[in-house]
Amino acid sequence: QKEVEQDPGPLSVPEGAIVSLNCTYSNSAFQYFMWYRQYSRKGPELLMYTYSSGNKEDGRFTAQVDKSSKYISLFIRDSQPSDSATYLCAMSVTIQGAQKLVFGQGTRLTINP
Amino acid sequence: GAVVSQHPSRVICKSGTSVKIECRSLDFQATTMFWYRQFPKQSLMLMATSNEGSKATYEQGVEKDKFLINHASLTLSTLTVTSAHPEDSSFYICSAREEGTRIDEQYFGPGTRLTVT
Repeated sequence: QKEVEQDPGPLSVPEGAIVSLNCTYSNSAFQYFMWYRQYSRKGPELLMYTYSSGNKEDGRFTAQVDKSSKYISLFIRDSQPSDSATYLCAMSVTIQGAQKLVFGQGTRLTINP
Repeated sequence: GAVVSQHPSRVICKSGTSVKIECRSLDFQATTMFWYRQFPKQSLMLMATSNEGSKATYEQGVEKDKFLINHASLTLSTLTVTSAHPEDSSFYICSAREEGTRIDEQYFGPGTRLTVT
């Protein structure tokens, strides 16, 4: 079983739709939860960062964490064609004093005009 | 935000040769750099963590003699793929982090696409 599970999609929705992206995890030691956006053949860029259960909002993006269920989500409101990318969830863990990121597989999202 | 560059962005090499990839932090001192590889439609897999001036720490299953990492300065880390084989073809991404910063304050480079023929 992978430590972080993410539906790879692809997911295709019309412009303006609300998008829901999800990850589940198995390691209770994960401390911080992040969402990255990666355009084709580019490095990931950080979208959202949170460390506690609950919701965190930033513009059209909302990150949700439920530690009891080991489940995180990213919601995108009023989706735009420019949101078309691969979205990766990532979680941090400290092993032998070193912090590391563990990534989900990534969900390919296409927003259709 | 902080900028991390990688060079080259794309490289094609013949099987058996070695190739070096550079990762530079342009506007901050990267005490720690991370090297990842990403296969098509798959996630980023951490290969190794390097701290300036010390030996890199490799993840389980990553051959340290094949993937040589040198973090000689606070702004530069290099990954050398030695005796490359077609199965080494992948997208290699580095990230850099300044000492004392949060884990999310880890900035990624644009990646290097390696093709071994």
